[in-house]
Amino acid sequence: DTGVSQDPRHKITKRGQNVTFRCDPISEHNRLYWYRQTLGQGPEFLTYFQNEAQLEKSRLLSDRFSAERPKGSFSTLEIQRTEQGDSAMYLCASSRDRPFNTEAFFGQGTRLTVV
Amino acid sequence: AQKITQTQPGMFVQEKEAVTLDCTYDTSDPSYGLFWYKQPSSGEMIFLIYQGSYDQQNATEGRYSLNFQKARKSANLVISASQLGDSAMYFCAMRENTGNQFYFGTGTSLTVIP
Repeated sequence: DTGVSQDPRHKITKRGQNVTFRCDPISEHNRLYWYRQTLGQGPEFLTYFQNEAQLEKSRLLSDRFSAERPKGSFSTLEIQRTEQGDSAMYLCASSRDRPFNTEAFFGQGTRLTVV
Repeated sequence: AQKITQTQPGMFVQEKEAVTLDCTYDTSDPSYGLFWYKQPSSGEMIFLIYQGSYDQQNATEGRYSLNFQKARKSANLVISASQLGDSAMYFCAMRENTGNQFYFGTGTSLTVIP
């Protein structure tokens, strides 16, 4: 399978706990995105990496959220001190750098439930 | 202002009929790309079709076509000969040349009736 892979697919955690999600993009893609999607809504942008550099972060990405892409390959998204409002689907996507208008390929997402 | 607007929360279509899903966008960047994605109940976003702002012709991919009206800033998705497997959420998205992120609309839920 050469698509975008996300792990875990589902995560249930207690409020206040920390969680970490992993995304493995398509290998030749140097652009990587994290999105959050709540029920009945479209994906909302969280952050973007060009190789290992985090070039853009949304206002949605509070101080409790941190994302890394240490070697420009896989990425992790950590949420500290989870809150019930963090319950959502977290989507990772990757794309080539050129042409600029190339489509992004999405993983199957990690569904987070905070209880 | 919303970058992408999808005004149809839900649509129904009879199997084998055609259906149009509406999308309007807002940008001041002269160079941009428009995308449509399908999201089945399994959750994965599946790329369907792309239209560039400078493309002269409407994009087509199999049963999918994009009705691109640049002056009206609309990029409607047309699905011909609907199939039961087309039942899903459909999202319109845009990426501007000057930006990095993809902007998504709120989606349209399509139900194909046998």
